[in-house]
Amino acid sequence: QLQLQESGPGLVKPSETLSLTCTVSGGSISSSRYYWGWMRQPPGKGLEWIGSIYYSGSTYYNPSLKSRVTISVDTSKNQFSLKLSSVTAADTAVYYCASQIQLWFFDYWGQGTLVTVSS
Amino acid sequence: AIQLTQSPSSLSASVGDRVTITCRASQGISSALAWYQQKPGKAPKLLIYDASSLESGVPSRFSGSGSGTDFTLTISSLQPEDFATYYCQQFNNDALITFGQGTRLEIK
Repeated sequence: QLQLQESGPGLVKPSETLSLTCTVSGGSISSSRYYWGWMRQPPGKGLEWIGSIYYSGSTYYNPSLKSRVTISVDTSKNQFSLKLSSVTAADTAVYYCASQIQLWFFDYWGQGTLVTVSS
Repeated sequence: AIQLTQSPSSLSASVGDRVTITCRASQGISSALAWYQQKPGKAPKLLIYDASSLESGVPSRFSGSGSGTDFTLTISSLQPEDFATYYCQQFNNDALITFGQGTRLEIK
């Protein structure tokens, strides 16, 4: 079964760019079955979808974040990445990566990584 | 964007109770709905997809129903490990994903 693991800095300064990578194991990121998604969850709050990517590079973004988000894929490393620019304290959250069946539901999730935006 | 409203926002129940959580979509989404369980400090876990299909390995006491705009998640007999927060998620054909605000299920 798939395993996903997020990695990246746990602390980012305001106005800078948050960068996270998700490493996929137990399967190929180039599988035609899957898209790959990012979600986040501010402390004590609900889940928010950030965006999704296919191995070919096709992307879909949450309209509320689209101007600041870039999701990319590196098939040679079986990884996909998230960049969120111009961060503020409101971007402090646990960030999750997950495998997404087609563009539907998410069946495997990483453990999540807390990113705090603070100077 | 399609909005999902869950009710109730929180719920107290006892072991052995039958519990129902509702998710209402702001427009019709056919059966494009999933349910997740999240325990504190853990990632969400997929329970139900396509409104009523049980994910492999999920106990049969969990069931989902509905189509269009109104959906329910039912736990037939609550077990101690079921106390958690539950989220619905829609995946309509515009590729834009939204989650409900969550329902916290607590021990009475």
